[in-house]
Amino acid sequence: DAKTTQPPSMDCAEGRAANLPCNHSTISGNEYVYWYRQIHSQGPQYIIHGLKNNETNEMASLIITEDRKSSTLILPHATLRDTAVYYCIVRALQGGSEKLVFGKGTKLTVNP
Amino acid sequence: KAGVTQTPRYLIKTRGQQVTLSCSPISGHRSVSWYQQTPGQGLQFLFEYFSETQRNKGNFPGRFSGRQFSNSRSEMNVSTLELGDSALYLCASSLDGVEVGNFGPGTRLLVL
Repeated sequence: DAKTTQPPSMDCAEGRAANLPCNHSTISGNEYVYWYRQIHSQGPQYIIHGLKNNETNEMASLIITEDRKSSTLILPHATLRDTAVYYCIVRALQGGSEKLVFGKGTKLTVNP
Repeated sequence: KAGVTQTPRYLIKTRGQQVTLSCSPISGHRSVSWYQQTPGQGLQFLFEYFSETQRNKGNFPGRFSGRQFSNSRSEMNVSTLELGDSALYLCASSLDGVEVGNFGPGTRLLVL
């Protein structure tokens, strides 16, 4: 399974952009990068995913490098409610289905 | 539509007992995956069920088992509980296990 590496923690000022990096140097050509976040004691929430093109939705933007070995999740205007653990995940294909392999994630703290 | 629901939300058991947790997927979803989350190990994949069949399995001992019913609802069972089984147990559902999973709120199990 492709592994991901994320910084354990980051801080961001409210209203500023939060840029969360993720390294996935062993990613395969057909594996997607997914981002989830987990607010304390709740189930993980899907944010965005991509293969090789940059993606944007109402929550965030995902920038994937051309060699696909790293990506960055961008929260354009962070709010206090964005304080959470953010997981970068590469989907692993196994046994005819795909499972999510979670790393340790990045704890993002948005400060007022 | 209604999200993934898990019952019970909280549970306290003693060592040696067994426990059954329930997960009701989003209507129309046929894949249900289970995860264990602990502070030390993070989120770990337990198993995935699709159309009443276990399709994928993580690296957990045989004390952890599950099943899925014809209405896609799933249960997981842990027998002979150990202190280390204290965790947040999460389930996620998706249409066929390939696309993004929608997580439930989790069941928090405490083993004394």
